[in-house]
Amino acid sequence: DVKVTQSSRYLVKRTGEKVFLECVQDMDHENMFWYRQDPGLGLRLIYFSYDVKMKEKGDIPEGYSVSREKKERFSLILESASTNQTSMYLCASSRSTEEAGAQYFGPGTRLTVL
Amino acid sequence: AQSVTQLGSHVSVSEGALVLLRCNYSSSVPPYLFWYVQYPNQGLQLLLKYTSAATLVKGINGFEAEFKKSETSFHLTKPSAHMSDAAEYFCAVSFSSNTGKLIFGQGTTLQVKP
Repeated sequence: DVKVTQSSRYLVKRTGEKVFLECVQDMDHENMFWYRQDPGLGLRLIYFSYDVKMKEKGDIPEGYSVSREKKERFSLILESASTNQTSMYLCASSRSTEEAGAQYFGPGTRLTVL
Repeated sequence: AQSVTQLGSHVSVSEGALVLLRCNYSSSVPPYLFWYVQYPNQGLQLLLKYTSAATLVKGINGFEAEFKKSETSFHLTKPSAHMSDAAEYFCAVSFSSNTGKLIFGQGTTLQVKP
């Protein structure tokens, strides 16, 4: 079974802090994704990566950056956390094939910025 | 712009009744289509996918969906609801076969009454 793990289930940070969210997948998937989930808005793509050191902006990249130094690990960075970044963050991975939309999700990190 | 619309943010059915969750997309090009389910405090799990094979797709837990190009729809159904089906359901589309970049609907919360 594919396993996608995220470093924390719950995280509380202060405004202005630098925040790192880590995601690791164990199935050698080429694609990795970071989403945020907010009530009534569904999931919105922040960034995705289709290969090591490759990244592309999603729909809402402002205030975020990412890093993918190894194939299995994809990190989301909030350079200076703000209260409007309080949300559920979901990481996902998939193969780079016709079924790339069939994504495997981690359990999520609920981030609260005070 | 390409988009996904789920009709009804909340759907309530009785146990044993038919489940119908609606999804429409806007695009001139048939996309790849997916349904995901999210149980409380968990990440998303793939229910089923349409990738240009048979228009009626069977998924896990007795769910199925039918792709209707003329109606640009991909509604999710289950003949008989079970209490364990209570969850949030997301429809998603992808127009990129390799990156798998998904556009999600807003989600529909399914309540199953005893």
